This record gives sequence, structure tokens and C-alpha cells, in this order.
Amino acid sequence: DVKVTQSSRYLVKRTGEKVFLECVQDMDHENMFWYRQDPGLGLRLIYFSYDVKMKEKGDIPEGYSVSREKKERFSLILESASTNQTSMYLCASSGWARTDNEQFFGPGTRLTVL
Amino acid sequence: SQQGEEDPQALSIQEGENATMNCSYKTSINNLQWYRQNSGRGLVHLILIRSNEREKHSGRLRVTLDTSKKSSSLLITASRAADTASYFCATSASGGYQKVTFGTGTKLQVIP
Repeated sequence: DVKVTQSSRYLVKRTGEKVFLECVQDMDHENMFWYRQDPGLGLRLIYFSYDVKMKEKGDIPEGYSVSREKKERFSLILESASTNQTSMYLCASSGWARTDNEQFFGPGTRLTVL
Repeated sequence: SQQGEEDPQALSIQEGENATMNCSYKTSINNLQWYRQNSGRGLVHLILIRSNEREKHSGRLRVTLDTSKKSSSLLITASRAADTASYFCATSASGGYQKVTFGTGTKLQVIP
């Protein structure tokens, strides 16, 4: 059974803290993605990665960074958490295919920044 | 900016009825996908339709794509209470095979 796992389902942090969100996939997928989901705004892409050590900015990268040292793991880092980063964070992965790029999602991490 | 916009934003129907959701997008696409999200969970892929296809079926799901109108619809037939969820369309732009852009979603409630 294919799987994308995220390190925490719920996380509460304080303003200014450094926050790490971890995502692991077991499908040997080349591509991994971080989204945030807010009511009325749908899913917005923060960063994605095509390969180990490769990263590309998405639509809303400000305030975030990422790390991909191993193929199966993609980390999202909030260098100094702020209250406007309170959100649901979703990780996804996909294989390399020309026309079919179905994404597999983790269960999400609901982050609250106080 | 969002590529896909779903319509309606919310839909409430009785069990057994059909549910139709629409998605409009702005630029040329490689394919369009539909996903389901149960409350507070990750998204699950439902169906993918390529830009050269007009209609696709999967079980109780029927998807249509009209590239001239830049729109798609998802039809769920004989709905069940378990279909209660949010549904999102996602588009993959021509030439950008791996990155997809999600719409804002339709929240479907199926009343038993």
C-alpha cells in the first residue's frame, strides 16, 4: 500500500520558533510538494522538488525553506514562525510521467502558531 | 493566481441524487484531475482526463472536459452519505508536467 507520511498531525508553536515539518514517501517518487491549505483559498503550492537536492519555488515561498537530502524525504522549514503561518500543511509526491502526474497526499499537519 | 475555480462552492443533496460540480480554468492544460478530501484529511486522487479526451468514466464518476470553454465537470451518480467531502479540480499546464494547480474546491454534503 503506497504511503506518504507526515511527522505530526497537529503542532502548536510559538511566534519566532523554528519549525520543521517532515514528509516521507515510500513510492520512490522523484517529485515532492508542499502545500498549505486555508479556508476559501484552496491549496497553494509553497515549494516542490524534482530530485534530491533540487528545489523550486511555488506560488507562496516567502517565509519558508525546504530541504531534500534523500529521495524519500522532503522537509519544510519555517525559519521564524509567525501567526499568519497558522494553516494546514499538506505534502504530496508524484512519479515522473509525461501525461499522468497523479499526486499522492499525506494526511496533513495542522500547525497553530501562537 | 488560482488556475481552477470550482462551482458551486457548496452543494447539499439527498442520498441517491446526482451531484454535479464544475471547474473552469484559464490557460492551456496538459491534463485535468479531480481529487476528494474528507474533512481534515489529505486529498485522494479520483480521476484524470487528458486534454485530448472529452469524457471519462470511473465507477459512479463521470468527468467531461471542454477545452474550447476551458471547463470540466464532475458528475457523481447515485450519491451516498460517504461521498460527503470537498472536491477539487487540479490542472497541469501544457509543458509543465509535474506541477499542478488546485482550485478552491466544492464542498458536497449528501444527506442520508
